[in-house]
Amino acid sequence: GEDVEQSLFLSVREGDSSVINCTYTDSSSTYLYWYKQEPGAGLQLLTYIFSNMDMKQDQRLTVLLNKKDKHLSLRIADTQTGDSAIYFCAESIMDSSYKLIFGSGTRLLVRP
Amino acid sequence: NAGVTQTPKFQVLKTGQSMTLQCAQDMNHNSMYWYRQDPGMGLRLIYYSASEGTTDKGEVPNGYNVSRLNKREFSLRLESAAPSQTSVYFCASSKLQDPDTQYFGPGTRLTVL
Repeated sequence: GEDVEQSLFLSVREGDSSVINCTYTDSSSTYLYWYKQEPGAGLQLLTYIFSNMDMKQDQRLTVLLNKKDKHLSLRIADTQTGDSAIYFCAESIMDSSYKLIFGSGTRLLVRP
Repeated sequence: NAGVTQTPKFQVLKTGQSMTLQCAQDMNHNSMYWYRQDPGMGLRLIYYSASEGTTDKGEVPNGYNVSRLNKREFSLRLESAAPSQTSVYFCASSKLQDPDTQYFGPGTRLTVL
């Protein structure tokens, strides 16, 4: 079955890099996504990567995909207090119907 | 562009009451979705509508019904609310199903007593 797993919590100091990891099980995933959720708010799309890519960079964000190990990571360079939020990894799957499967989220706390 | 809007923001119901959660998008998107988010869990898909006139069950459809009223609006109805339906409900929309990306509304926090 489909499953997306993330660690629950990460704490970093302001200015350091953060790396949030995610593993998924379905090899038929076409796209993998990172969403950010701030307290009391909806999910905001941060970035996504096509499954045949290894890496995608977007300003302070770097997404790495290891398709062989089904491992996805999000690196945030120069982490700021405004980056404190919950980060969700998600994979899209098309079998008999379309699905977007989310991980349970990683809470990132940035310490001053 | 308001994006994806949801009403109400908060709601408290008694067990057995019914209510409809409203969602609208102004991005001319074809596909719309309803998710629920429970503490410590990722989002789970309740129902989705790939295009106007179609609806399909997601992962956790029991206890819910949906209506795709037109291209803009997709409502979620709880006919007889249960405490297990206490959750935060998110509506989302996308131009296509894949590879397009989903844009989320701010959520409705529902408590069923």
